[in-house]
Amino acid sequence: EIVLTQSPATLSLSPGERATLSCRASQSVRSYLAWYQQKPGQAPRLLIYGASNRATGIPARFSGSGSGTDFTLTISSLEPEDFAVYYCQQRSNWPLLTFGGGTKLEIK
Amino acid sequence: EVQLVESGGGLVQPGGSLRLSCGASGFTFSNYQMNWVRQAPGKGLEWVSYIDSSGSTMYYGDSVKGRFTISRDNAKNLLYLQMNSLRADDTAVYYCARETQIYCINGVCPFDYWGQGTLVTVSS
Repeated sequence: EIVLTQSPATLSLSPGERATLSCRASQSVRSYLAWYQQKPGQAPRLLIYGASNRATGIPARFSGSGSGTDFTLTISSLEPEDFAVYYCQQRSNWPLLTFGGGTKLEIK
Repeated sequence: EVQLVESGGGLVQPGGSLRLSCGASGFTFSNYQMNWVRQAPGKGLEWVSYIDSSGSTMYYGDSVKGRFTISRDNAKNLLYLQMNSLRADDTAVYYCARETQIYCINGVCPFDYWGQGTLVTVSS
């Protein structure tokens, strides 16, 4: 099973700051990586697919990069509504998939 | 508007069974591959199961293999998860999730719509 390790577990930042979230895979997942945002009491929302492509309606301040085993989700300038938990998901051995443990982005 | 609505959750004793349902609307259900994902209280997301659009191919996560069965009724726009031999560590919110058809890379697709989830609690 491919394990995804997200870091940091918690990231404390202020609105307007830049957020950099990491997702590392135990083996190559090529570009079959997605990022989701989850707010308390809500279902996850797809942000990024194919490692670097924004889903429809996702603001341009969200960007994804990486391939192989190392991936990054960057939020260029944090808005108040961006404070949430973020998960990466790999699907290189479709249809099986795994999620990372999540990064909680909290207001400093 | 795409909607996925789970039902069937509740309190069940260890060793018991439960069947979850997910009602779909706002899209042609029979065209989409579907999944179940769960989230234990205060924990992260765990993929549970996949079913193709026709209902002929299913896959399961290792933690539920042999105990859970995914199925669908395309005529009724319903997705199911039959859960047997339930254990305390199956306690979670269970989400149904649709695989997108527009965000795929080489046929590999993430999930674009999720239900709001149904809570399953396994406890004596």
